[in-house]
Formats: sequence, C-alpha cells, structure tokens
Amino acid sequence: GAGVSQSPSNKVTEKGKDVELRCDPISGHTALYWYRQRLGQGLEFLIYFQGNSAPDKSGLPSDRFSAERTGESVSTLTIQRTQQEDSAVYLCASSYRQYNEQFFGPGTRLTVL
Amino acid sequence: AQSVTQLGSHVSVSEGALVLLRCNYSSSVPPYLFWYVQYPNQGLQLLLKYTSAATLVKGINGFEAEFKKSETSFHLTKPSAHMSDAAEYFCAGGFGSSNTGKLIFGQGTTLQVKP
Repeated sequence: GAGVSQSPSNKVTEKGKDVELRCDPISGHTALYWYRQRLGQGLEFLIYFQGNSAPDKSGLPSDRFSAERTGESVSTLTIQRTQQEDSAVYLCASSYRQYNEQFFGPGTRLTVL
Repeated sequence: AQSVTQLGSHVSVSEGALVLLRCNYSSSVPPYLFWYVQYPNQGLQLLLKYTSAATLVKGINGFEAEFKKSETSFHLTKPSAHMSDAAEYFCAGGFGSSNTGKLIFGQGTTLQVKP
C-alpha cells in the first residue's frame, strides 16, 4: 500500500515568508508526528496528533510554528515569518497507534535564504 | 528527562568485519527502543524495535540488537558488514511520558564500509 507522502519535496523561500508543508499519513494510522532534522543532526520532535485528542505541541520551537490535522487524515505544518535557522528537513511519520512502529515520509527540505 | 545517546558519530569498518553501533538511553520508565537506517537521499526505515517481549531483537538485513537494562544500552550489531550497509543509523526511544508515542532520537552514526 501507499506509504507516508509529503509535499513539496523541496521548498526554497525568502526570510520572512510563510510556508506550508503537507503530510499524507498511511490510511488507518491514528497517530501522526512531525520531526525536524537539521544538517548533521538527529531528529527533533515537533508535534504529535492522536485521533481527536489534543495534540502534543511540546516540541514546537516557537509560536511561529503551528500544525493542524483534521481527524485521521492530512496534516499541515505552517511556519510563519521564516528565519534562516528554520532551514532543515521536515519529516512526517505515522503509526497505527502510539508506540507502534512509525513510518516516515521522504521529508520536505526547506531552505530559507 | 529522557535521552538517547549514540557513541561515535562516524564508524568505519572493512567489508566482512563486525559492525557495532552503540546506543545508550536514560529513563526512569521502561523504554521502547528502535533502530532506524537512513540511506542517502532516502527516508528513515525501521531496522528493528524492542518492546519488552525479548531482550535480543533481530531485524532486517542481518542486524540485531540486545537490550541490557543494567547497562541502559541497546547496541546494534551485524556479524559481517556489506558495502550496502553504508548509511546513517539512528537509535530512538519512546518513554511513555504524557501518553504520547513521540520518539527521542540520538544524533546518528554514519557507518562507512571499506572494501
């Protein structure tokens, strides 16, 4: 079946612009995660959605970052007023439920000039 | 606070040699532990996972890892390295806090395999 998909695969933007990243999880997966991977570093947790429960936003680095998910479908991560330090690969993952294997998408490489 | 530490950002082995990638965790609650592999320009792929059923876990591509509670370790091994094993490897832990399944990742270890 189809895996986790993300779009766009690459995004180049100017400092100060807003960007929106999209994640399509595997059908039937109730849990969805966003992570950030800076060059040469491990993955940083950003936000977690589980069904209709309140999301865990504890990893969002600033109030410029926000994310939405409608039910158990698509999620969007929005970064407002982008800064150069936001440049990274943004990875989305989904799992059948928490603590099950997380399946990762290919990521969106964001470059802020 | 929970943490995952990978010892050695780069490991180089000869083809056919033993692969040993080290991972230690810090947690006051029982962990779920994972090893992921990331090949160049590809997404993360699960190698294996520990979820308390067995301390020795076998994964794909001949890799295995042993959970040692006394040493708070989950090292990844493969008896004989192959050129195709060259990639970046991430150890990750889920620690059950706040009822989320978020993973805490180590910094990654790049495995180089020399002919």
